[in-house]
Amino acid sequence: DTGVSQNPRHKITKRGQNVTFRCDPISEHNRLYWYRQTLGQGPEFLTYFQNEAQLEKSRLLSDRFSAERPKGSFSTLEIQRTEQGDSAMYLCASSLGTGGTSPLHFGNGTRLTVT
Amino acid sequence: DAKTTQPTSMDCAEGRAANLPCNHSTISGNEYVYWYRQIHSQGPQYIIHGLKNNETNEMASLIITEDRKSSTLILPHATLRDTAVYYCIVRPSGSGGYQKVTFGTGTKLQVIP
Repeated sequence: DTGVSQNPRHKITKRGQNVTFRCDPISEHNRLYWYRQTLGQGPEFLTYFQNEAQLEKSRLLSDRFSAERPKGSFSTLEIQRTEQGDSAMYLCASSLGTGGTSPLHFGNGTRLTVT
Repeated sequence: DAKTTQPTSMDCAEGRAANLPCNHSTISGNEYVYWYRQIHSQGPQYIIHGLKNNETNEMASLIITEDRKSSTLILPHATLRDTAVYYCIVRPSGSGGYQKVTFGTGTKLQVIP
């Protein structure tokens, strides 16, 4: 179990630029989640995948955000035309979606700063 | 899904037991209680979960009241490395995922030397 890996750990970008983050989940986990976390708050759900299918998106996920999980393995989260309000920690988590009680396993996140 | 309430912050002396409470008065019969913690600059880490029986693992114990409206996470011998934000969440069992789970702001536990 190598854990959930996220890259990059930190990203500084200028307002209006596009950014892309990558998440590599635990290999046997078929569910993958993206969360956003701002200072002093808990993680907020953005979207999730079961295998390659994106099954739900939060209202927090504006049209500028898009997520993919080709082949049901790694996932990418892209933010287009970044705004200062997008500055946050973006967390990825994975779990076994067997219908049981499998816990979430989080990566250490990508911290985005939009200047 | 049920929401949880937790104290904003707590202190605990190093070596003593840390008892972190969580209220989940609207919990449904099929919802489990999960605890996670988040050390600064890291992602949340799973600790333990339970339905109605008390649970123990190598990290902590979870005590759930008989009416299931509240629970307590116990770290038996707190160390400085246990300083973190602790989140209590509820989530239904079955095929549903975590998309409707609310993490809230958690309890910031400070372990004091």
